[in-house]
Amino acid sequence: DTAVSQTPKYLVTQMGNDKSIKCEQNLGHDTMYWYKQDSKKFLKIMFSYNNKELIINETVPNRFSPKSPDKAHLNLHINSLELGDSAVYFCASSPGTSGRWEQYFGPGTRLTVT
Amino acid sequence: RKEVEQDPGPFNVPEGATVAFNCTYSNSASQSFFWYRQDCRKEPKLLMSVYSSGNEDGRFTAQLNRASQYISLLIRDSKLSDSATYLCVPDTGRRALTFGSGTRLQVQP
Repeated sequence: DTAVSQTPKYLVTQMGNDKSIKCEQNLGHDTMYWYKQDSKKFLKIMFSYNNKELIINETVPNRFSPKSPDKAHLNLHINSLELGDSAVYFCASSPGTSGRWEQYFGPGTRLTVT
Repeated sequence: RKEVEQDPGPFNVPEGATVAFNCTYSNSASQSFFWYRQDCRKEPKLLMSVYSSGNEDGRFTAQLNRASQYISLLIRDSKLSDSATYLCVPDTGRRALTFGSGTRLQVQP
């Protein structure tokens, strides 16, 4: 009965590689997000989709590309990985209806680039 | 100016104690807030939503003071499992949430 799930949980890869992180929510929510939490512990928004439409695209290198095949899924593809991409990436979802915008987070994907 | 300001702590309290955190916010238009808790190396978890002057859920009470622009979280009868970082987050609607560094609580036996 997992609400927001992410795969993989851990990802160790070398610089220059391309990798993807997948996120799925079974809450029936309309809005999904990707956040990055770096070593300084601040959570920063990267992208947000509402019903498969991109609504937030923060200042993120274009090596990062989100894809939402349907409103229950939001994947993150990263090209040409760099050392500075090492962080924990959290997916979240929000009802986005009836004025309810609280967000529910997935368990995170810990990415280590060597 | 930061959207919210919280004392980073850590607050070290014994089990069973009552502890309160304050969070001041800069945007006077903020109508509602969320309290999240984040355990070390885990995801933030929604603790409670505050849509009016306050909310209570078991041992946890949140109060919103719009005149002074702060929101507080009171934890009664602290448990070891309450040890975490507590984050005060303004509800910004469809925009993404802005998280600060939160307040770290350490409950000691």
